[in-house]
Amino acid sequence: AQKVTQAQTEISVVEKEDVTLDCVYETRDTTYYLFWYKQPPSGELVFLIRRNSFDEQNEISGRYSWNFQKSTSSFNFTITASQVVDSAVYFCALSFLAGGTSYGKLTFGQGTILTVHP
Amino acid sequence: DAGVTQSPTHLIKTRGQQVTLRCSPKSGHDTVSWYQQALGQGPQFIFQYYEEEERQRGNFPDRFSGHQFPNYSSELNVNALLLGDSALYLCASSLAWDPHNEQFFGPGTRLTVL
Repeated sequence: AQKVTQAQTEISVVEKEDVTLDCVYETRDTTYYLFWYKQPPSGELVFLIRRNSFDEQNEISGRYSWNFQKSTSSFNFTITASQVVDSAVYFCALSFLAGGTSYGKLTFGQGTILTVHP
Repeated sequence: DAGVTQSPTHLIKTRGQQVTLRCSPKSGHDTVSWYQQALGQGPQFIFQYYEEEERQRGNFPDRFSGHQFPNYSSELNVNALLLGDSALYLCASSLAWDPHNEQFFGPGTRLTVL
């Protein structure tokens, strides 16, 4: 069974602060994908980043960066110099490939509410 | 290029009634997945449709059923509504052969059961 845990329920920061969102996952699959999604008040889930299980290289994309550590089953997400528009609920998610074909099922964490104050 | 669209936006029903939610996938996508998101929770996978068949299913009762049409659009049907079915229902579309499993989500349908 797959499980995603986001221990931080809510985070509040002041604009321009850096903020890191934590994600820990469980899976028996050796090949899987990890995602971060953002959900603004409108409700639509917006894709942010994706990382596959066989590439632990950490990257930076604009103000976003992520730290994937397979040894600790963690996939943390950092926003640098946060802005008010970053205020939203952030979800970490996990999917796996079965038989060489992605079945597409995403397992989500509970979400972290991020509030960025001006 | 239209993204994923869902209708209706909001819906209010009473216990015991039946409801049908609709989803049109992103142009070119052939796979539709449905998720239920209760207030304050993460989305939960209901089922996925490909080639007009249910390909896999999450832990939801048979009251939840679906359909996919030849044009890849999809419907989610819920029978005998319970108060606990009140949630945001999200539709996601993707390509079956996409190894990266990139899914595009619609704005959701907010269902309230009274």
